[in-house]
Amino acid sequence: ETGVTQTPRHLVMGMTNKKSLKCEQHLGHNAMYWYKQSAKKPLELMFVYSLEERVENNSVPSRFSPECPNSSHLFLHLHTLQPEDSALYLCASSQSVWLGAQYFGPGTRLLVL
Amino acid sequence: SQQGEEDPQALSIQEGENATMNCSYKTSINNLQWYRQNSGRGLVHLILIRSNEREKHSGRLRVTLDTSKKSSSLLITASRAADTASYFCATDAGGNKLVFGAGTILRVKS
Repeated sequence: ETGVTQTPRHLVMGMTNKKSLKCEQHLGHNAMYWYKQSAKKPLELMFVYSLEERVENNSVPSRFSPECPNSSHLFLHLHTLQPEDSALYLCASSQSVWLGAQYFGPGTRLLVL
Repeated sequence: SQQGEEDPQALSIQEGENATMNCSYKTSINNLQWYRQNSGRGLVHLILIRSNEREKHSGRLRVTLDTSKKSSSLLITASRAADTASYFCATDAGGNKLVFGAGTILRVKS
């Protein structure tokens, strides 16, 4: 499998649920990113990891908790979300942090009821 | 306010025509990138142009950069229905963080 993969592709959850989004990159990159894309709003950066170390936390609420166990995998743990958290969550990777092109996964479409 | 802003917000053209999208930004940059996103999918990197470059080509894509006007344009020549997508510019704003604009929605009618 090549590129950046994300699972699940679609997720519906209640406000009291706990779920996790998974991202895996097969490109040998050192940096990984989480973005949130809401309707009619620019892409919002959430978290950045470089060699498994978090280098950016863009004022994201604590109900979103990232985890990067190694340079190929990135998780976003979700708990007690709000309906306004419904969005497309995109994972991306790049050779080094903020260097060059970013390669995106297909995204997870999240609906919070 | 966002660093990169695309113009127009939406564009509808006939297959075979050229499509031009513009991006303006506010602060100095090291490079500017263009991405494409098909409906509800991930973004695909199209082209990166550095601040010391004025023009770059990739297939049917032509990107120009005018740092004096803080603007860039993306030209798609001989458009195809498959070019229907949203197009975003992204700039490294200050601390190298990549900041995306709101995008231009392009519809190519066959």
